[in-house]
Amino acid sequence: LAKTTQPISMDSYEGQEVNITCSHNNIATNDYITWYQQFPSQGPRFIIQGYKTKVTNEVASLFIPADRKSSTLSLPRVSLSDTAVYYCLVPSSNTGKLIFGQGTTLQVKP
Amino acid sequence: GAVVSQHPSWVICKSGTSVKIECRSLDFQATTMFWYRQFPKQSLMLMATSNEGSKATYEQGVEKDKFLINHASLTLSTLTVTSAHPEDSSFYICSATNRATNEKLFFGSGTQLSVL
Repeated sequence: LAKTTQPISMDSYEGQEVNITCSHNNIATNDYITWYQQFPSQGPRFIIQGYKTKVTNEVASLFIPADRKSSTLSLPRVSLSDTAVYYCLVPSSNTGKLIFGQGTTLQVKP
Repeated sequence: GAVVSQHPSWVICKSGTSVKIECRSLDFQATTMFWYRQFPKQSLMLMATSNEGSKATYEQGVEKDKFLINHASLTLSTLTVTSAHPEDSSFYICSATNRATNEKLFFGSGTQLSVL
């Protein structure tokens, strides 16, 4: 299983773009990179998933360089409701297991 | 997106009793389900993996006789905390996926268990 490392916490202000970078040095060839968001006392919510280059959906973008050893989640124009813990995960391509690291606690201030 | 329903959302029980938590995939067939527990201000810890029709695989340190997992159908998995004690109080979260169709992993809303 690829281990992930991301900053423990980040602060931002409403309306700003937030970029959270995650490193996954031992990612395997078939592994995808997935990001989840979790609010207190709720289950994690899927945000975005990618394999390489750039993926964009209605809530975020995911940038993955050619070597795939890192990825950056980009949240455009954050609001107070984006305050949450964000997890970068690499599911095992063999078992589908998701092992959670510490995640990044994002605090959005007014 | 896919929906995973988890019940109950919270439960309070007396020490020594057993508690069952249900996890259902509502709009897809879940070939694989994972059970996690989460303590306050900590990350999710994987407890076990269950594949439909076979015995669950437990992570190291998780007692299989304490946490009984059943995955009898493609839409339902249950976790039973047997003879619960206060130290079992935690937030339990299930997740489900269909590995045959490369379905993403979706999570239930979690169950807060408080053992008195």
